Amino acid sequence: DAKTTQPTSMDCAEGRAANLPCNHSTISGNEYVYWYRQIHSQGPQYIIHGLKNNETNEMASLIITEDRKSSTLILPHATLRDTAVYYCIVSGYGNKLVFGAGTILRVKS
Amino acid sequence: DTGVSQNPRHKITKRGQNVTFRCDPISEHNRLYWYRQTLGQGPEFLTYFQNEAQLEKSRLLSDRFSAERPKGSFSTLEIQRTEQGDSAMYLCASSLARDNEKLFFGSGTQLSVL
Repeated sequence: DAKTTQPTSMDCAEGRAANLPCNHSTISGNEYVYWYRQIHSQGPQYIIHGLKNNETNEMASLIITEDRKSSTLILPHATLRDTAVYYCIVSGYGNKLVFGAGTILRVKS
Repeated sequence: DTGVSQNPRHKITKRGQNVTFRCDPISEHNRLYWYRQTLGQGPEFLTYFQNEAQLEKSRLLSDRFSAERPKGSFSTLEIQRTEQGDSAMYLCASSLARDNEKLFFGSGTQLSVL
């Protein structure tokens, strides 16, 4: 599975959009981009995933560049409860998920 | 609550003792995963089952670790002769095989080996 690179930490003001970048330059054609987050003292929580096209659900939007070498997770109106570690994972369908260190997002009032 | 349930939430043990953790997945989920997480790191894959079959084991899983899922429902993870380096959060997750990009995680068992 391709490796990902994420910033160690980011800050975001409450009510503003949080844009979390992820680089995955070695992604192969059949690999998906997954995003999970982990709030303190809880297990990771699925957010969204995509292959080529941009995706949106009730939690977030996922923007994947045309060459698929990078992506951005967008939380449109961040709240204090969105403070968490966000993991970007690239994996083939049906393969186990390999987590990196993720990005610590701090939402501040 | 129909989520993934893990017991116990916390376990303190002395070095050399055996410990066993239990995971009850979401009832219709046929895949079950075990991960381990240490402070400041992302979860590390240990093993996974599809129904009762253990399909993959990480090289991280030494001979002291054994996992079972005897009837394809709940699973147990046993650590024999615990070492201080085994101290970690042990996470269980489940999914439907046809939808396996969505893993549902439990809250984990925090193991402290003294």
